[in-house]
Amino acid sequence: DVKVTQSSRYLVKRTGEKVFLECVQDMDHENMFWYRQDPGLGLRLIYFSYDVKMKEKGDIPEGYSVSREKKERFSLILESASTNQTSMYLCASSLPSPYNEQFFGPGTRLTVL
Amino acid sequence: GENVEQHPSTLSVQEGDSAVIKCTYSDSASNYFPWYKQELGKGPQLIIDIRSNVGEKKDQRIAVTLNKTAKHFSLHITETQPEDSAVYFCAASKGNTGFQKLVFGTGTRLLVSP
Repeated sequence: DVKVTQSSRYLVKRTGEKVFLECVQDMDHENMFWYRQDPGLGLRLIYFSYDVKMKEKGDIPEGYSVSREKKERFSLILESASTNQTSMYLCASSLPSPYNEQFFGPGTRLTVL
Repeated sequence: GENVEQHPSTLSVQEGDSAVIKCTYSDSASNYFPWYKQELGKGPQLIIDIRSNVGEKKDQRIAVTLNKTAKHFSLHITETQPEDSAVYFCAASKGNTGFQKLVFGTGTRLLVSP
């Protein structure tokens, strides 16, 4: 059974803190993605990676960075958390073909106070 | 860049009724249109998809139609059941080689009442 796991379901951080969100997939997928989900805005792509150590900016990369040191793990980093980064964060993975399904993790609800 | 609009934002139906969710896209080069279902507390999951060389695709109670000329596609659910209650997202992609960037709609919350 394919699986994408995220390190936390709920996270509360203070403004200015450095925040790490971790994602691990066990399907040997080349592609990995980070989205944020906000009511009325749908899913918006933050960053994606198509190979180890490779990354590409998505539609809303400002305030975020990513790291992919191993194929199965993709980390999202908030260098200095701000209240407008309070959101649901979803990780996904897929095979490299453009028509392959993206498999999503359960999400991390981050609150920045 | 691509823009995907989705309507309605909420949809309430009685069990057994049909439900239709509509999406429009802006980039005529888009050629792949998946639909994802997100149940409460879970991540989205692919339920059906269609490529631009096909006008309609069915899978049991769900179907997707695509009108390339008008740049819109729709999800049809027949004989709705309470377990169909969820948030549904449409998406579009140009299927670029090496990676796929999906642009999602804003979501439709479907509520099926018994």
